Amino acid sequence: QKEVEQDPGPLSVPEGAIVSLNCTYSNSAFQYFMWYRQYSRKGPELLMYTYSSGNKEDGRFTAQVDKSSKYISLFIRDSQPSDSATYLCAWVRSGSARQLTFGSGTQLTVLP
Amino acid sequence: DAGITQSPRYKITETGRQVTLMCHQTWSHSYMFWYRQDLGHGLRLIYYSAAADITDKGEVPDGYVVSRSKTENFPLTLESATRSQTSVYFCASSGGISSGNTIYFGEGSWLTVV
Repeated sequence: QKEVEQDPGPLSVPEGAIVSLNCTYSNSAFQYFMWYRQYSRKGPELLMYTYSSGNKEDGRFTAQVDKSSKYISLFIRDSQPSDSATYLCAWVRSGSARQLTFGSGTQLTVLP
Repeated sequence: DAGITQSPRYKITETGRQVTLMCHQTWSHSYMFWYRQDLGHGLRLIYYSAAADITDKGEVPDGYVVSRSKTENFPLTLESATRSQTSVYFCASSGGISSGNTIYFGEGSWLTVV
């Protein structure tokens, strides 16, 4: 069983839709949770970062963490074609010197 | 802003050759990392460094060597390249708590071993 499961997609939505991206994990030692966005032929860029259960909002993006159920989600409101990218959930295991471990990524396409 | 830069961005080499991928960051971050990204495997950690002269293995270190004589540089060397090392390589850095524990990535180095 993988430590983290992320739906690989691909996911295709119309412009303006609400997008929900999800990851589930099995290791309770995961401490920090992040969402990265990666455009084609580019490096991952940090979107959201959180370490506690609950919601964190940044503009059109909301990260949700539920440590009791072991899942993290990223919601994108009013999605735009520029949101088309691969979204990677990531986490840092406590005591791991800040090594990031990534989910496999979900490819999102927002159609104009 | 330059932040973290990788070179070369694209490289084709032959099996058995030694290849070095360079990584330079301008933030004086303590932590630096090398990842490789492959279809079906996602991003996997090769090596990381917590400070100058301190390095440690990640998930897939075999066939790679790193060094960190200066805080700002973290080169990755493939001592004898193999076709299985054809991949995209990403360098990353983090300042730890002082920078909110965020990890920043370079633009990637595309390596093809023929």
